[in-house]
Amino acid sequence: DTAVSQTPKYLVTQMGNDKSIKCEQNLGHDTMYWYKQDSKKFLKIMFSYNNKELIINETVPNRFSPKSPDKAHLNLHINSLELGDSAVYFCASSIGLATDTQYFGPGTRLTVL
Amino acid sequence: DAKTTQPNSMESNEEEPVHLPCNHSTISGTDYIHWYRQLPSQGPEYVIHGLTSNVNNRMASLAIAEDRKSSTLILHRATLRDAAVYYCILRSQNSGGYQKVTFGIGTKLQVIP
Repeated sequence: DTAVSQTPKYLVTQMGNDKSIKCEQNLGHDTMYWYKQDSKKFLKIMFSYNNKELIINETVPNRFSPKSPDKAHLNLHINSLELGDSAVYFCASSIGLATDTQYFGPGTRLTVL
Repeated sequence: DAKTTQPNSMESNEEEPVHLPCNHSTISGTDYIHWYRQLPSQGPEYVIHGLTSNVNNRMASLAIAEDRKSSTLILHRATLRDAAVYYCILRSQNSGGYQKVTFGIGTKLQVIP
């Protein structure tokens, strides 16, 4: 069983489009995250959700919006896609505390043309 | 926010110990030190974490300086499967549940057969 899954694995789209990436975890964790890894492999946290409440909102454009329909899902919506949004996006989850292990998904490679 | 600094890359011979350093001179008292690694084309995976005392698990050991301004991840016998990017991460949480996550740039470890 896959602990943290993401769909799609690859996403190619045109500038200006709106797209979503889905994430699901079957670990029963309370906190989920979205990370962005750019071409230089720098990994940066974007958001985290705990019990459907946004905890971290790093300085990302408001074109990015996390949506959590329930505790097991945290989807990432991106509006008006730009070339600079091309990256690999990782979803992760943890029980919730700073001591807790984060379990990462396999990543979604987004390419904006 | 407290930052971490790591060497960009390191090399090790197979079956020899590897010491991966991380500096975090502005670490706060509530920051936990976490290490993750990322194998090519995969999401990051947890390696080890600690607060003040040295820690051991089946994957590695974590040595934390007495002043907590630096730490070292120790792989006791490097294998080819250990070739990855290793991230030193600070995580903290205040009483309100807020999580702060700061990533280093990561050290790319090359293991030479």
